[in-house]
Amino acid sequence: KAGVTQTPRYLIKTRGQQVTLSCSPISGHRSVSWYQQTPGQGLQFLFEYFSETQRNKGNFPGRFSGRQFSNSRSEMNVSTLELGDSALYLCASSLSGSDQETQYFGPGTRLLVL
Amino acid sequence: QKEVEQNSGPLSVPEGAIASLNCTYSDRGSQSFFWYRQYSGKSPELIMFIYSNGDKEDGRFTAQLNKASQYVSLLIRDSQPSDSATYLCAVISSGYGGSQGNLIFGKGTKLSVKP
Repeated sequence: KAGVTQTPRYLIKTRGQQVTLSCSPISGHRSVSWYQQTPGQGLQFLFEYFSETQRNKGNFPGRFSGRQFSNSRSEMNVSTLELGDSALYLCASSLSGSDQETQYFGPGTRLLVL
Repeated sequence: QKEVEQNSGPLSVPEGAIASLNCTYSDRGSQSFFWYRQYSGKSPELIMFIYSNGDKEDGRFTAQLNKASQYVSLLIRDSQPSDSATYLCAVISSGYGGSQGNLIFGKGTKLSVKP
């Protein structure tokens, strides 16, 4: 079974631009969570989607948004990029997002904002 | 603010020794606990999960959970240089109304196993 895939793997943007990242979950998984990882803050939860609905959201500004499609693929968008948005963005999938399910991570998208 | 605390390390152990990694969490309602390993430049991969008090063993790895003390640990027996990585403790808090898909991570302990 193929794992979680993320595209693109690397991205360089400038301040003020916007960016869209894509995540394809493991086949059959309907829950997709997004995380931001930085050296200073570690891994932080952005949001979770299930059946095209955002069920849970972390403490990030509204510039960070996402969506999920009917095939469970998910995208996240960051508008008006800031230098501090430079990070590794990880998505993780699980069957339904319940508390006792394992989340499987994709390889991540490394975003550099100049 | 729910928190997960880990000693950042680095923790250095000789090859063949037992590595002990510790984690505390602030939310007594936490129900599910995970250990992930992350190699430099890679994404986290699951090592073990534990839901009940006590020990859970899987090969060279043993997870220990003590909910009364809000403490979870990971022991790695017969440590190998290939175990050198950052180990992330993660917790899901149940009964919170918004726990779906939300893993709360510690900042990780960097383990170095010396040959």
